[in-house]
Amino acid sequence: DAKTTQPPSMDCAEGRAANLPCNHSTISGNEYVYWYRQIHSQGPQYIIHGLKNNETNEMASLIITEDRKSSTLILPHATLRDTAVYYCIVRVGFSSGSARQLTFGSGTQLTVLP
Amino acid sequence: NAGVTQTPKFQVLKTGQSMTLQCAQDMNHEYMSWYRQDPGMGLRLIHYSVGAGITDQGEVPNGYNVSRSTTEDFPLRLLSAAPSQTSVYFCASSYGPTSSGNTIYFGEGSWLTVV
Repeated sequence: DAKTTQPPSMDCAEGRAANLPCNHSTISGNEYVYWYRQIHSQGPQYIIHGLKNNETNEMASLIITEDRKSSTLILPHATLRDTAVYYCIVRVGFSSGSARQLTFGSGTQLTVLP
Repeated sequence: NAGVTQTPKFQVLKTGQSMTLQCAQDMNHEYMSWYRQDPGMGLRLIHYSVGAGITDQGEVPNGYNVSRSTTEDFPLRLLSAAPSQTSVYFCASSYGPTSSGNTIYFGEGSWLTVV
């Protein structure tokens, strides 16, 4: 599975956009990029995922570079409740006949400041 | 829509005791799995299932047992609890494989302490 690299921590002012980068230079052509976040050891919460095109939903936008070697998660108007560890994951999960380790990468601790 | 429901949320066990962590989903998902997360670490796959009657081992299966008699339920059994099994356990489910772009949904976790 492709390895991901994220900055360990970032700060963002409340109301501003939070841009979280992720490097996945070894990603293969059919691997999706997923973003999850985890707040205070709660269950990981799905944010967004994409394959090649940029994606947007009610929570965030995902920008994937044309060569797919990196991506950026954008929280357009960060709030205090967005403070969490954000994980960029490539090829989450498993398939029958092979055990897979779910690696959430290093994660980025995003702190939204008032 | 409850999503993925785990019970109990907190449990303290004595070494050698057995117990079952319950997991249920109401989304008609075929794929279900159990992970554990130790402090400061990512999630590690314990067991998974791709449908009723089909289970397989993940990365850290020793000391755990699973069965999948229905689509909705995927219980995790600790056979003889050990302090090394103190952890937070997460159940997850998805409609299909993430290699096809399916999303995995997680439960809120079960905190287990073995003394």
